[in-house]
Amino acid sequence: KNEVEQSPQNLTAQEGEFITINCSYSVGISALHWLQQHPGGGIVSLFMLSSGKKKHGRLIATINIQEKHSSLHITASHPRDSAVYICAVTTSGSRLTFGEGTQLTVNP
Amino acid sequence: EAGVAQSPRYKIIEKRQSVAFWCNPISGHATLYWYQQILGQGPKLLIQFQNNGVVDDSQLPKDRFSAERLKGVDSTLKIQPAKLEDSAVYLCASSLDLAVGGNEQFFGPGTRLTVL
Repeated sequence: KNEVEQSPQNLTAQEGEFITINCSYSVGISALHWLQQHPGGGIVSLFMLSSGKKKHGRLIATINIQEKHSSLHITASHPRDSAVYICAVTTSGSRLTFGEGTQLTVNP
Repeated sequence: EAGVAQSPRYKIIEKRQSVAFWCNPISGHATLYWYQQILGQGPKLLIQFQNNGVVDDSQLPKDRFSAERLKGVDSTLKIQPAKLEDSAVYLCASSLDLAVGGNEQFFGPGTRLTVL
């Protein structure tokens, strides 16, 4: 069993829909990260959080430390949001442990 | 501020050949990471440097992979000889010194390696 599990693995939505991607982890963490990866490989950090909730534009990330669970929400989704979204946790030092990623496709 | 630079962006080689990747981290970032990302999977840490010292290379296949960061700035990752299963995207990332709480990592564009 992976230390970081994401669901769903694949998600297809229509433009404008509200999207939720979930992440559960089984280890003690100092921070949780949501990352976005577009075709071509580059990874961009969206959020780093250790408690509560953060919002940036149409993106919202929440974390429940007691339940070891985090969600990434996208409001009013757009085709340009199509990408792989990766959940990762910081365990010891700065080492990141990654989930397998969620492939999101938003159709116009 | 310039981001993490990697080269080449793409490389195609035949099995048993050698290949090297280069990474230049963000200026001032003491920690540098090399990841391997196989298609459909999340990245896997290969090696982590703090300045020019190795912090973690527990998942580096040392019989064929090597990495160095001689002056504590840029780094090279080498595979010799390559196998088919080494086909992947190789990502470099950097972060500030752990001692000052820098644990946000910034990623380069990656090098896509295809081994035929």
